[in-house]
Amino acid sequence: NAGVTQTPKFRILKIGQSMTLQCTQDMNHNYMYWYRQDPGMGLKLIYYSVGAGITDKGEVPNGYNVSRSTTEDFPLRLELAAPSQTSVYFCASSYSSIAKKLFFGSGTQLSVL
Amino acid sequence: AQTVTQSQPEMSVQEAETVTLSCTYDTSESDYYLFWYKQPPSRQMILVIRQEAYKQQNATENRFSVNFQKAAKSFSLKISDSQLGDAAMYFCAYRSVMEYGNKLVFGAGTILRVKS
Repeated sequence: NAGVTQTPKFRILKIGQSMTLQCTQDMNHNYMYWYRQDPGMGLKLIYYSVGAGITDKGEVPNGYNVSRSTTEDFPLRLELAAPSQTSVYFCASSYSSIAKKLFFGSGTQLSVL
Repeated sequence: AQTVTQSQPEMSVQEAETVTLSCTYDTSESDYYLFWYKQPPSRQMILVIRQEAYKQQNATENRFSVNFQKAAKSFSLKISDSQLGDAAMYFCAYRSVMEYGNKLVFGAGTILRVKS
């Protein structure tokens, strides 16, 4: 059982480049989330989705875009990467609003130089 | 919007002793969930313990227990018989039951160091 899978695990981008962080889950979860974790800080919500075709902004959405065309996949797109986007990115999912826990991916460490 | 505050950036404990990590939160809701997550150097997010706000009884998971004070909006984590493997960053988190999306809101974290 794979759970939540994130790719890549590490990436270095140059300023102005674009990339997509992939997230897929095989648990048929409706709720999916993207968080970023800056060094020594807590996780902040970027975007979330409550089902296929439905996405909404979180606390820090600027510079990012998402889509949710299937239940399984929730990619995060960075356009025109900036040094301020250097962070660790976590994808998470849960079955419902009253689920006992969120399942987290192993994270993507992104550096923008 | 809800907020979660962890006032201890760093804590240390001697192996086999007990340590308590503090967490306070702000909300106007009456029903919600509270969590403690552990993040070791591997970066993996590991659920330590969960508390439902409607339950008066404090949650316990082996050596981990919480002191949930709903009126004071306080949710501390007690680790008994500390082990070297407990060394990690610990996050307190809040999850709304009613708010759209049921997002998890995290505190800034507490680094726990365990001394042998």
